Amino acid sequence: DTAVSQTPKYLVTQMGNDKSIKCEQNLGHDTMYWYKQDSKKFLKIMFSYNNKELIINETVPNRFSPKSPDKAHLNLHINSLELGDSAVYFCASSHRLAGHGTQYFGPGTRLTVL
Amino acid sequence: AQKITQTQPGMFVQEKEAVTLDCTYDTSDPSYGLFWYKQPSSGEMIFLIYQGSYDQQNATEGRYSLNFQKARKSANLVISASQLGDSAMYFCAMREGYSGGSNYKLTFGKGTLLTVNP
Repeated sequence: DTAVSQTPKYLVTQMGNDKSIKCEQNLGHDTMYWYKQDSKKFLKIMFSYNNKELIINETVPNRFSPKSPDKAHLNLHINSLELGDSAVYFCASSHRLAGHGTQYFGPGTRLTVL
Repeated sequence: AQKITQTQPGMFVQEKEAVTLDCTYDTSDPSYGLFWYKQPSSGEMIFLIYQGSYDQQNATEGRYSLNFQKARKSANLVISASQLGDSAMYFCAMREGYSGGSNYKLTFGKGTLLTVNP
């Protein structure tokens, strides 16, 4: 029933570790996104994929690597985690040419790096 | 320069009254879309309303309406008959045009925290 889902909802880990966040959408959308929300609630685009093709990589450190195995999934892998990576990460999806391109967001993953 | 400006970090409104949340934007693209999202304390981002740059009429969705003043580049959200459950952070966002990668991202404002008092 859930439109955009993310796992896990919470992630607590040590500096230097590698972690992944998974995202799935069942809306039939062709475009998926990762956004980062910092401690001041500011939301910023990180990546955008359209039909499994990377469209936007918004000056994100290369420790972050998105992977889109198919149109319904977009995962985010983070290597060598740093304290500054602590944030809420949102996955979103949209249809590029339908529904005004409205983006629908997942519930977010709160990442805490200790 | 900021593309989306929300000048009200916090707003208070009495239950059942109307409230306007301000949003101004900056773009040179003639084709763009403006969105409002609600983020309650539980953290999810909920889409509320959309206004396209070529739309002649202001968008409305239930108790939400968008006061779109194109010449002033403003897209204020009006919530009528406020309810306690409207207490949340509200974000204005813009998608610019359809060229290159610009249509593949939303640029967000810093948000306005709305508190509805009983």
